[in-house]
Amino acid sequence: GAGVSQSPRYKVAKRGQDVALRCDPISGHVSLFWYQQALGQGPEFLTYFQNEAQLDKSGLPSDRFFAERPEGSVSTLKIQRTQQEDSAVYLCASSLVSGAGVSYGYTFGSGTRLTVV
Amino acid sequence: QQQVKQSPQSLIVQKGGISIINCAYENTAFDYFPWYQQFPGKGPALLIAIRPDVSEKKEGRFTISFNKSAKQFSLHIMDSQPGDSATYFCAAGANNLFFGTGTRLTVIP
Repeated sequence: GAGVSQSPRYKVAKRGQDVALRCDPISGHVSLFWYQQALGQGPEFLTYFQNEAQLDKSGLPSDRFFAERPEGSVSTLKIQRTQQEDSAVYLCASSLVSGAGVSYGYTFGSGTRLTVV
Repeated sequence: QQQVKQSPQSLIVQKGGISIINCAYENTAFDYFPWYQQFPGKGPALLIAIRPDVSEKKEGRFTISFNKSAKQFSLHIMDSQPGDSATYFCAAGANNLFFGTGTRLTVIP
């Protein structure tokens, strides 16, 4: 596609519910990143994939957060037993190059706004 | 510990004026310093970026100044326009990016 597509755009979850957020990167992009952006804050790194391999998950805040990219294209970020502090915008970004890709500048999607009530 | 510190938190500039946003970083291993522009409801969009081997980079009305010894870099927006009104984030990194807390810029017509 022309850009990074994320779905759903908005998600309201009851506390304790599991959610799954989807990211469709730009076709052919090797690197994929997930970021969490709290209201009024800058994005914070969650995890990074190179193709299907998850090379860095150091930013995942707890073991309730899980990300996968099984075929090296679409990625899903799953949050189990959601808590109110999980409310944020979850941003996905992709990059054409291999390696971290960060130094080549990556393209962000518009994000999924998660609200846990 | 915040890896990247950004100031000011908000900025109001008259149309035609210069907008200046400053950032400081801690980790000397960082080798990439981009600026992102974000409009409400949208993801951040890359505006301009610099590597530490140069002290300045200019693209149109946007200029990054980089001071490696001070571990500081700044964004200058010349001839600021109302359409520039957005939130600006600096970032720094090597394998992944650390973002500043953002500056909300308002350009008054």
